[in-house]
Amino acid sequence: DAKTTQPTSMDCAEGRAANLPCNHSTISGNEYVYWYRQIHSQGPQYIIHGLKNNETNEMASLIITEDRKSSTLILPHATLRDTAVYYCIVPNFGNEKLTFGTGTRLTIIP
Amino acid sequence: GAVVSQHPSRVICKSGTSVKIECRSLDFQATTMFWYRQFPKQSLMLMATSNEGSKATYEQGVEKDKFLINHASLTLSTLTVTSAHPEDSSFYICSASFRNQPQHFGDGTRLSIL
Repeated sequence: DAKTTQPTSMDCAEGRAANLPCNHSTISGNEYVYWYRQIHSQGPQYIIHGLKNNETNEMASLIITEDRKSSTLILPHATLRDTAVYYCIVPNFGNEKLTFGTGTRLTIIP
Repeated sequence: GAVVSQHPSRVICKSGTSVKIECRSLDFQATTMFWYRQFPKQSLMLMATSNEGSKATYEQGVEKDKFLINHASLTLSTLTVTSAHPEDSSFYICSASFRNQPQHFGDGTRLSIL
């Protein structure tokens, strides 16, 4: 998988937008960026994925830079339930396997 | 949305026992299922990948005779931990995908071997 780099931890105030960055400078042109999160003692939850255009769904928005070397996951109005470890993953093209790094531990502060 | 059910959620058993964990895709047909293991304060590690009707592909360092995987149908995969020992205690998580769609994960099984 293309290597990704994320901050180890972040805090965000409840109700504010949480912006989680990810660097993936070695990404290839046909590789997608996936975001998952893992709430304590649960299985990971799929959030969103994208190739080069910005994406939005009911959970979050994904902003991918034009050179595709980095992306930002945006949770528009963070709640306490968004406290989790967030993983940015870039699987090798044609390979379904996901390699989980250490992710970003996001803590939402009341 | 896609739902993956994993059962049981927690198992406590004696050393030497074999334990079977089930993973079901409830509302879609999973062409591929994956099994992960997660030790405390660590990230998920992929153990094996299985496609329906074929043998599982194990990651390096994972003993295929220790961790038996069966993927008999498009909605069910099982992981059997044979002759489990305390060092096998971990959080086991399955995921399922359909034709390169995003993987969806079960809620995991916490296995404790006494």
